[in-house]
Amino acid sequence: QQQVKQSPQSLIVQKGGISIINCAYENTAFDYFPWYQQFPGKGPALLIAIRPDVSEKKEGRFTISFNKSAKQFSLHIMDSQPGDSATYFCAASDRGSTLGRLYFGRGTQLTVWP
Amino acid sequence: DVKVTQSSRYLVKRTGEKVFLECVQDMDHENMFWYRQDPGLGLRLIYFSYDVKMKEKGDIPEGYSVSREKKERFSLILESASTNQTSMYLCASGLTSRPSYNEQFFGPGTRLTVL
Repeated sequence: QQQVKQSPQSLIVQKGGISIINCAYENTAFDYFPWYQQFPGKGPALLIAIRPDVSEKKEGRFTISFNKSAKQFSLHIMDSQPGDSATYFCAASDRGSTLGRLYFGRGTQLTVWP
Repeated sequence: DVKVTQSSRYLVKRTGEKVFLECVQDMDHENMFWYRQDPGLGLRLIYFSYDVKMKEKGDIPEGYSVSREKKERFSLILESASTNQTSMYLCASGLTSRPSYNEQFFGPGTRLTVL
């Protein structure tokens, strides 16, 4: 059973537009929600993360919106650039667990056209 | 900077061969992970380890085993490679303590082809 569901699977956005990727989870023990970015030929790398005590976190053009009651969170990329073209993974984790496991969504392949 | 290295970027093996994928991290991380990445299926956890000689099954452990004899090294073993194990294999390491809180650092991946 997939712990984190991510949509869409692929996304095409014009340069300057807003990219939005959505994720949903069921396990209420999750309390850490990171997003990873993966460029072709590279391993994923942490992009931005949020804890459930805040509803939004912004870092530059990247914003996580978090809705605890709906158990949903999303990544917004403002003013999308061709350099943002990558695969994005949302994830969730229980920080109380000593095992350090992340549960990943299936990924979204973002293409930003110039 | 945290560095996670994997022994090979590309590997071609034959069906039935025993395959070893090696991963080394240089940041004294407690936890290490092996994932496989396939189009449309995302990152699927094979095995992970939270301490030397300790291991836990992930979501798809069948056909794989692991070894962690030293803290910095985590090996993935395909006892008898099969064509359905053709995939990209990613190793990661991470901490559970502040401030990283479960952040994982990934290696560049090994693309394994089993013929």
